[in-house]
Amino acid sequence: DAGVTQSPTHLIKTRGQHVTLRCSPISGHKSVSWYQQVLGQGPQFIFQYYEKEERGRGNFPDRFSARQFPNYSSELNVNALLLGDSALYLCASSADTGVLQETQYFGPGTRLLVL
Amino acid sequence: LAKTTQPISMDSYEGQEVNITCSHNNIATNDYITWYQQFPSQGPRFIIQGYKTKVTNEVASLFIPADRKSSTLSLPRVSLSDTAVYYCLVAPFSGGYNKLIFGAGTRLAVHP
Repeated sequence: DAGVTQSPTHLIKTRGQHVTLRCSPISGHKSVSWYQQVLGQGPQFIFQYYEKEERGRGNFPDRFSARQFPNYSSELNVNALLLGDSALYLCASSADTGVLQETQYFGPGTRLLVL
Repeated sequence: LAKTTQPISMDSYEGQEVNITCSHNNIATNDYITWYQQFPSQGPRFIIQGYKTKVTNEVASLFIPADRKSSTLSLPRVSLSDTAVYYCLVAPFSGGYNKLIFGAGTRLAVHP
């Protein structure tokens, strides 16, 4: 079975630009979460989506937005990029049975470099 | 939200047993403890999860004392491929994923 896939794998942008990252969850999973991981730190939660609805949002500015499509894939958009947005962006999917302890399955991530 | 504290790094040798302890003094009654493993340039991978006493799977064991204020991830007979960052998370029973807090993790280096 295919795991969580993300595209692109790497991306280079300049300050002020906009970026769109994409994620396809594991087949049958209806929940997608996005995380930002800065070098040397653990992943930080950005968003969770379930059935196209936002379920949770982390402490990130409004420049960050996301959406989920009917096929449960998801996009993360970041506007007005800053140097500090350089990070590994991880997508995770889960079946979302309604219990928080369910296992999340992470994708390989998109490495974004902002110059 | 329960905060976790882990050693920043650990070193071991192939074939040894490795124990990584995580402190979570203000864990709540319904909180579960989850451990993830992350290799460079990859997303974290679920290892094991538990609530109390001992949990064992094909990869690791998780020991949780009665007061649940700490937990220990035990990796039997590590190999070079176990070199990774290990994260301890304390997850509430309900609520959103914004309550899943990843700390800096423990960087385990396994040497030949």
